[in-house]
Formats: sequence, C-alpha cells, structure tokens
Amino acid sequence: QVQLVQSGVEVKKPGASVKVSCKASGYTFSSYGISWARQAPGQGLEWMGWISAYTENTNYAQKLQGRVTMTTDTSTSTAYMELRSLRSDDTAVYYCARAPAIYDVLTGYYMDYWGQGTLVTVSS
Amino acid sequence: DIQMTQSPSSLSASVGDRVTITCRASQSISSYLNWYQQKPGKAPKLLIYTASSLQSGVPSRFSGSGSGPHFTLTISSLQPEDFATYYCQQTYSSLWTFGQGTKVEIK
Repeated sequence: QVQLVQSGVEVKKPGASVKVSCKASGYTFSSYGISWARQAPGQGLEWMGWISAYTENTNYAQKLQGRVTMTTDTSTSTAYMELRSLRSDDTAVYYCARAPAIYDVLTGYYMDYWGQGTLVTVSS
Repeated sequence: DIQMTQSPSSLSASVGDRVTITCRASQSISSYLNWYQQKPGKAPKLLIYTASSLQSGVPSRFSGSGSGPHFTLTISSLQPEDFATYYCQQTYSSLWTFGQGTKVEIK
C-alpha cells in the first residue's frame, strides 16, 4: 500500500532553516511527483509547491519563492522540503503528498496520498 | 494566483441530512477542482478530483459537480464519520490553491 512517512517534530529559532523528509513506499517513486502543503495552527491548508521525482523540476508558490527548496532522492524514495530564514509565521504542520504529475504541466492533478505531517515550531 | 472561496465557512447539520458546500474560483478553472476531507489532528484525504470523479474507496454519498468558476460538494446523507472540515483546491493553474475550508459540525 502507498505510504508516505515524514520526519519528526522540529523546533527552530527565527532565521534558522528546517529540512523535512518524506519517505515513500508502495509505488514507483520516480513515476510521480510530490507536493507539499502546510497548515498553521487553527488555519486552513496552504499549498507550497511540487517536485517531479522523474525530472526533478519544481514549481513553488510565489509567496515562498527564494526561501523554499524541494528535492528528491530516488535511491531512497525520499523527498525533502527545506525552508530557510524561518519566521514565527512559518510555525505549522507541514505535509507531503503524492501527486500523479511528473512533467511541468500540473493542470488537472491532485494530491492522493498524504504523509502524517511534521510540526515545525519557530520560536525564540 | 487564483483565489478560491468556500461557503459557508461552517455549518451545523444532523445525521441523515443532505449537505451542500460551495466553492467559487476567482476565474474559470474548467473542471480542475478537487475536494478534500480533514479530521482534527489528521492529514487531509482526497474525496473528489476533477470536479466529479470519486476517489477510490470514498463512499458514494459524496458527490461533486460544477465547472467554470462554480462547484459544489454534496453529502447525500450525513454520517457521524463525516463531521470534519472540507477543502476545495484548484489545479487549473500550475500554482495550486486551496479554499479556506468549511467545517461541518454536529447540530
């Protein structure tokens, strides 16, 4: 069965960086993309971006451009999301999800299997 | 970015009720609209993709319709396990966006 298992809780200081991992199993990793979303406490979902595990092409939300980097390691079927220059409003649960899109045209796709979420707290 | 607006933001309903949630896009998005269900402390779950296609394993009481800028998610007969928050998401643009969510509570 498809599973996405994320890394554990992180506590960071403002200005630091965080790197969250997402290990996939139960499907051919390089035949799909991985999308990331986050959810601040008590708030809705915010889409962060997407990476193709086939081409390693990325597409980031404009709000996060310049601060976020998404990567994949096909040898371990793991995706990573790094967020830099952390601020208090980056405190959120971060989710990875499988997205059946491997090329740059993302029209019509969706996030069908989700990881369990990783809480990132940014506090001085 | 394409803005997604859901209504209502919350609603109270009873088991067995028919429930309808609306999602409106700031521009036409054809049929590229997905619906997710999220329960407290859990990851979202895909219910409906491309406006009306039921994800495998999702009960048939869930249905989606609409195109252009206007979409609806309908639960034909609300069950106890359906009390949750529901989100729409557009994937017409390569910059995906979610609606703000609709919380379905027990009356």
